[in-house]
Amino acid sequence: RKEVEQDPGPFNVPEGATVAFNCTYSNSASQSFFWYRQDCRKEPKLLMSVYSSGNEDGRFTAQLNRASQYISLLIRDSKLSDSATYLCVVFGGGSQGNLIFGKGTKLSVKP
Amino acid sequence: GAGVSQSPRYKVAKRGQDVALRCDPISGHVSLFWYQQALGQGPEFLTYFQNEAQLDKSGLPSDRFFAERPEGSVSTLKIQRTQQEDSAVYLCASSLVSGQPQHFGDGTRLSIL
Repeated sequence: RKEVEQDPGPFNVPEGATVAFNCTYSNSASQSFFWYRQDCRKEPKLLMSVYSSGNEDGRFTAQLNRASQYISLLIRDSKLSDSATYLCVVFGGGSQGNLIFGKGTKLSVKP
Repeated sequence: GAGVSQSPRYKVAKRGQDVALRCDPISGHVSLFWYQQALGQGPEFLTYFQNEAQLDKSGLPSDRFFAERPEGSVSTLKIQRTQQEDSAVYLCASSLVSGQPQHFGDGTRLSIL
């Protein structure tokens, strides 16, 4: 089982739609969680951190369920510029310093 | 600098040649990471430095891969006797300390012919 699993998509949605991405992780000791966004042929960029209480940043809402080892990202009122690959990222913690990335979920927002 | 800087942006080498990829992290960032990203995949961890100490190199695929950060700032990833399967984008990231969000450079796109 992969450490971080995501539905690869693609998700094709019209402008203005609400879309949700899910992610599961296998290491129950994981400490920090993030969503990154990656545009085609560009580097990953931090979209938002994910907190246990859930957090919102404008049209984006992230939630974490530690019991189910599940992370979600909700995008409301999607824009054309939201088209990208969304990477679910987990920090292992302990002696490991690195982030563990999912393969990403591709989103395409159409006019 | 303002962000993580990597060079070169693109590198083409013949199979068997050695290559060196450079990463200049954000000033003051203690942690530095190298990742390899194949087409259609998420970044895969290669190695991690805290200052000049290489704390984890478990992701390096073979002993042909070597990384260093001798003065705790700039890092170099070296690949010896390159193979076609080494073709990928090599991403460098830095963070203030371990566990904090990482900031990525533009990457080096390596093609082995």
